[in-house]
Amino acid sequence: KNQVEQSPQSLIILEGKNCTLQCNYTVSPFSNLRWYKQDTGRGPVSLTIMTFSENTKSNGRYTATLDADTKQSSLHITASQLSDSASYICVVSSNQAGTALIFGKGTTLSVSS
Amino acid sequence: DGGITQSPKYLFRKEGQNVTLSCEQNLNHDAMYWYRQDPGQGLRLIYYSQIVNDFQKGDIAEGYSVSREKKESFPLTVTSAQKNPTAFYLCASSAQRNTEAFFGQGTRLTVV
Repeated sequence: KNQVEQSPQSLIILEGKNCTLQCNYTVSPFSNLRWYKQDTGRGPVSLTIMTFSENTKSNGRYTATLDADTKQSSLHITASQLSDSASYICVVSSNQAGTALIFGKGTTLSVSS
Repeated sequence: DGGITQSPKYLFRKEGQNVTLSCEQNLNHDAMYWYRQDPGQGLRLIYYSQIVNDFQKGDIAEGYSVSREKKESFPLTVTSAQKNPTAFYLCASSAQRNTEAFFGQGTRLTVV
């Protein structure tokens, strides 16, 4: 069964600190993986998109990694800011016909001052 | 502006009434999706459509219905058969099945 598991479920860090969020997936055949940021009460917004051949991709203070062999991805946030407080969702696409996007449950990040 | 628009942002309905949530996109995307989000849970797929006049059930389609008569519109009806309809509903669209999904701002439905 196609699944996306994220850890931790929630995380609290101090402003200025770094953190890493994890995403493990069992989706096959794999097409690509995206990380989304969802502010409370809003729709998710894409942070990064990674295909099978990409290992690392950065978007400002956000760096995503992908290990297609172990089917793992991580999202590293550097020098966290209060505005980083949100839910971060890992989404995997499959090439299989008739399969929609497969969402993880998200990691809720709280950045405190 | 190009984008995907959901309306209304907040919706209140009495128990037993059907209600329709609007989703419109001007991105010329073929695929559209409806998701439900409950507190502390991830997004769960209700229905999706890859082309006009065609749609498929997602993981939690019971109690919901959709139509896709136009490329830019994908309304969701929450029927009285849905046992627990109070939730945050998100609509999304993508150019093709595996390309980036763009989300609307969501509709928070409360049934009293």
